Amino acid sequence: EVQLVESGGGLVQPGGSLRLSCAASGFTFSNYWMSWVRQTPGKGLEWVANINQDGTDKYSVDSVEGRFTISRDNAKHSLYLQMNSLRAEDTAVYYCARVDYDFWGYMDVWGKGTTVTVSS
Amino acid sequence: EIVLTQSPATLSLSPGERATLSCRASQSVSSFLAWYQQKPGQAPRLLISDASNRATGIPARFSGSGFGTDFTLTISSLEPEDFAVYYCQQRSNWPPWTFGQGTKVEIK
Repeated sequence: EVQLVESGGGLVQPGGSLRLSCAASGFTFSNYWMSWVRQTPGKGLEWVANINQDGTDKYSVDSVEGRFTISRDNAKHSLYLQMNSLRAEDTAVYYCARVDYDFWGYMDVWGKGTTVTVSS
Repeated sequence: EIVLTQSPATLSLSPGERATLSCRASQSVSSFLAWYQQKPGQAPRLLISDASNRATGIPARFSGSGFGTDFTLTISSLEPEDFAVYYCQQRSNWPPWTFGQGTKVEIK
């Protein structure tokens, strides 16, 4: 079964850091671009960052540029999101998602999400 | 950044009725638009890719159409499990990939 399982969410103070992880199974992880997408009640769904198959190409939304870093370990079938200098507006459910191989740019497999709350 | 505007915000219909959801882009995205379904407490699920291509396992009652700036998702006859929130997303102009704000299809 194709599966993505996120972990690492929690409560953190403004200015703090958190590292999210995503464990992939059921498919050849190293063949796919991967993404992080977040969801808030106010802003809805927002693509956060993505990374190519070998980790050499990375992109992120302007609002997290310089604060969040996406990375991957293909040997461990894992995707990561290092989040620094967290702000209240980063509070969201964070989803790990696989980028569709045939329709590059859409997310065809999603994890259940992990909740990040930034609050003092 | 391409802004996607979905309408209506809420659609109140009965099972068996036809649902028509709209997504309008702030500039042309050609056919590079997808639709997702999200149920409470669940992650989004990809329904339609590139305006009209149903994803694997998606029932034929879901169909998509459109090109350029105007797109439509149609559910021909609503089943009880179709009541959910639907989002559109473009992959034409990135970064960033952007999503619409969603249309909730609720039971009337």
